[in-house]
Amino acid sequence: GAVVSQHPSRVICKSGTSVKIECRSLDFQATTMFWYRQFPKKSLMLMATSNEGSKATYEQGVEKDKFLINHASLTLSTLTVTSAHPEDSSFYICSAFGQGVYEQYFGPGTRLTVT
Amino acid sequence: KQEVTQIPAALSVPEGENLVLNCSFTDSAIYNLQWFRQDPGKGLTSLLLIQSSQREQTSGRLNASLDKSSGRSTLYIAASQPGDSATYLCAPPSNSGYALNFGKGTSLLVTP
Repeated sequence: GAVVSQHPSRVICKSGTSVKIECRSLDFQATTMFWYRQFPKKSLMLMATSNEGSKATYEQGVEKDKFLINHASLTLSTLTVTSAHPEDSSFYICSAFGQGVYEQYFGPGTRLTVT
Repeated sequence: KQEVTQIPAALSVPEGENLVLNCSFTDSAIYNLQWFRQDPGKGLTSLLLIQSSQREQTSGRLNASLDKSSGRSTLYIAASQPGDSATYLCAPPSNSGYALNFGKGTSLLVTP
């Protein structure tokens, strides 16, 4: 199957700093990437949909100015958590979907801890 | 909004048993449904994709069925092994696009 990578896999940052998470599709062109968040023992929740070359669409309750998403190429989307706070600590997972790919492939996730 | 419920929430079985995981969803106007496994602290591994025109899909010891009209899907695992221990998630898409919706999953433990 198709491969999606995420970097970093784990990050610890101080409150008030910004963190960038990268999501890459390694062997296909991802016209659409999704960003999900998973709190401990909870379901994955969709945060935003990212289409290459256009602005991301955010789910209700997700602040677009806090979670900046850029999908500048068909293989890369980035999520920047700005002015992170401890309540932003979570597991962030991206998925990708694109030309010739009929199912979604997920990255390995990024564990963010804000101290 | 698509709501997903998985039953049971947790399951512990001895190695070798066959088992069935159940999934129900509220919006039956879906074009496909995916089953995933998630190991603790890890991302998702895609197991099976069932198109809306299909009733079943098989991969090795796994068999998934889909009944769109009743909003149900089941994942059947044959001859379970300790390596099957993980959380299993069914994910129908939302009614507005390709994003997937997740329930809390079924946490499976297969004991040797």
